[in-house]
Parts: sequence; structure tokens; C-alpha cells
Amino acid sequence: DADVTQTPRNRITKTGKRIMLECSQTKGHDRMYWYRQDPGLGLRLIYYSFDVKDINKGEISDGYSVSRQAQAKFSLSLESAIPNQTALYFCATSGGTAPNSGANVLTFGAGSRLTVL
Amino acid sequence: ILNVEQSPQSLHVQEGDSTNFTCSFPSSNFYALHWYRWETAKSPEALFVMTLNGDEKKKGRISATLNTKEGYSYLYIKGSQPEDSATYLCAPVVAGGTSYGKLTFGQGTILTVHP
Repeated sequence: DADVTQTPRNRITKTGKRIMLECSQTKGHDRMYWYRQDPGLGLRLIYYSFDVKDINKGEISDGYSVSRQAQAKFSLSLESAIPNQTALYFCATSGGTAPNSGANVLTFGAGSRLTVL
Repeated sequence: ILNVEQSPQSLHVQEGDSTNFTCSFPSSNFYALHWYRWETAKSPEALFVMTLNGDEKKKGRISATLNTKEGYSYLYIKGSQPEDSATYLCAPVVAGGTSYGKLTFGQGTILTVHP
């Protein structure tokens, strides 16, 4: 089984629909992240969580919300999907606490490709 | 938002060529610099985590250097092979405010190695 599992892997939906992308991890990491990838823009951070009680907005949080249900689970919701939210979404985890720790390396899930029509 | 620049945006080389690309980042409040390789249809995977000025890391034919005083890192690939084709992403970790401890990625360099 993968260390970081994302569901669904692919989803096509319509404008205005509510969508939830789920992420679960078996690495025992406290830190979890949601990134979005668009061609030519690299990975942009949507939300991140350093522990179960800590949720932080990233660069592009508008139109998204998250829930950290447990150490192992971090879900991303689009309350009312719009076409410009069509993208590849990655969940990632990291285990370090010191910012210069090599344990801060990210482990990514396989990605969730979302298409909003 | 942290300003992270990678150049070039894309690169086409022939098999056997050596190549290098650059990651530029703010040098103040620096903690670490990550490099990731992202192959098509796969997830990004970590290559290196570099923390000290002058650091040099190596993995097979791939190596990286770090200059924290001027805020840049170079990634080198010696004798490129088609399997090196991927997007190479860098991400600095800096202190201060909401950026503490999290990664901000550059837009990546897309490398294509032609047989």
C-alpha cells in the first residue's frame, strides 16, 4: 500500500458541485499539505496542517477548505467548484519539526486529477 | 509569497549531454533547500535536502550545490539519459511568519533528453 493515498484519483464534475478530495497516510507524520499543480506554475500550496489542531492557509486558499480529521487524514473540499479549479491536486506529508531537518522532505500521494466542466 | 525562480523553464538535450539548471531564492532567513524530481504520470520525489552554504550533494549522475549567501542552487546532470527526463523542482524553507517550516516551490525546469 502507498504511504500517502489520495482518493479519488480522477474526478469530473460540474460547476457548482461540492467536491471532497481525501488523503490518508501511514507514515505517522504530523505535517500534511495540499498542493495544486497547473501547467507552467509548478506546485502551489493551498492549505497545510502541522498537527491535528493546526490548520493554515497557503498561497491559494480561496475557494477551498480543509479538515484534519486525525493525524492520518487530511481532506480538501471545494464547496462550489468552478472551471478554473480544474487541476492536478497533490497531498503530501512530512515528518520533521526543525525547519532545516532532512526529515522535512515531502512524501507525495499519487495525485487527484479534477476536471470541472 | 516567497519568490522562487527556476531557470530555464525548459531544456532539451541529447543523450550523453551534461546539463545544469538554477534555482534562485531569497537568501535571508534561510533554513534549507529541497530538490525534487517529478516524472510524468508519477508523484514528485525528493532528490536532495541541502542546508549549509557550500553544500554539495550527489546521487548517481545528479549533483547539486548550494550558495545561501547569494541565494541560489545549481542542479547538474552528467551524461543525461532519456530516463532523466522529468520536471525538476526546487523549494526553499525559510523562517518568518507563515512561511516558517513549509516549502514554496519554484515553477520547475522541464528537462527532455532525446535519444
